[in-house]
Amino acid sequence: ETGVTQTPRHLVMGMTNKKSLKCEQHLGHNAMYWYKQSAKKPLELMFVYNFKEQTENNSVPSRFSPECPNSSHLFLHLHTLQPEDSALYLCASSQVRASVGYGYTFGSGTRLTVV
Amino acid sequence: QKEVEQDPGPLSVPEGAIVSLNCTYSNSAFQYFMWYRQYSRKGPELLMYTYSSGNKEDGRFTAQVDKSSKYISLFIRDSQPSDSATYLCAMTNGGSQGNLIFGKGTKLSVKP
Repeated sequence: ETGVTQTPRHLVMGMTNKKSLKCEQHLGHNAMYWYKQSAKKPLELMFVYNFKEQTENNSVPSRFSPECPNSSHLFLHLHTLQPEDSALYLCASSQVRASVGYGYTFGSGTRLTVV
Repeated sequence: QKEVEQDPGPLSVPEGAIVSLNCTYSNSAFQYFMWYRQYSRKGPELLMYTYSSGNKEDGRFTAQVDKSSKYISLFIRDSQPSDSATYLCAMTNGGSQGNLIFGKGTKLSVKP
């Protein structure tokens, strides 16, 4: 198991539902990220938090809402999603924003299916 | 032109073969280059990290960066079935606001 834990592992939701994805790290990292991974596409950066402050929103639709209550926890709140939002959602953390020496530590992801 | 280009494969090789995985990029400001390995139903994990041009070796893995050609490679010697995974290249300019830019990933299968 990696140092970044994501729950749930799988999620099926209707387009009118509201659900939340959770990410937790106890690596002492100060930066956390949400990525979207779709088949045959590069990882898409969605949100960046550095020391609990959101530093980047990569033109993500408002139906995705992040929350970072502390440096160890990150949430992604979902509502009124579209079928094209079905993907693997990955959480990652790093020592600080744009830390390159040790890379990012990723969780195993939440496989989201919107029906 | 996409910032990072990577052939998604799939690539299938017999056990023991030398594997070559490649990425090209367009942004000459990139200075840090990484390879991540992603097993099925897992998140990516950092495999190799290289700064600027040159080679870096770690066991059976060698990473090469040619900044003049904007081309990076990962070589796997004596490939094993356990190397079967998707390999993603990633790169950044290293600035405090720089983001990791990923390729699509190449799916590799090593057959026993």
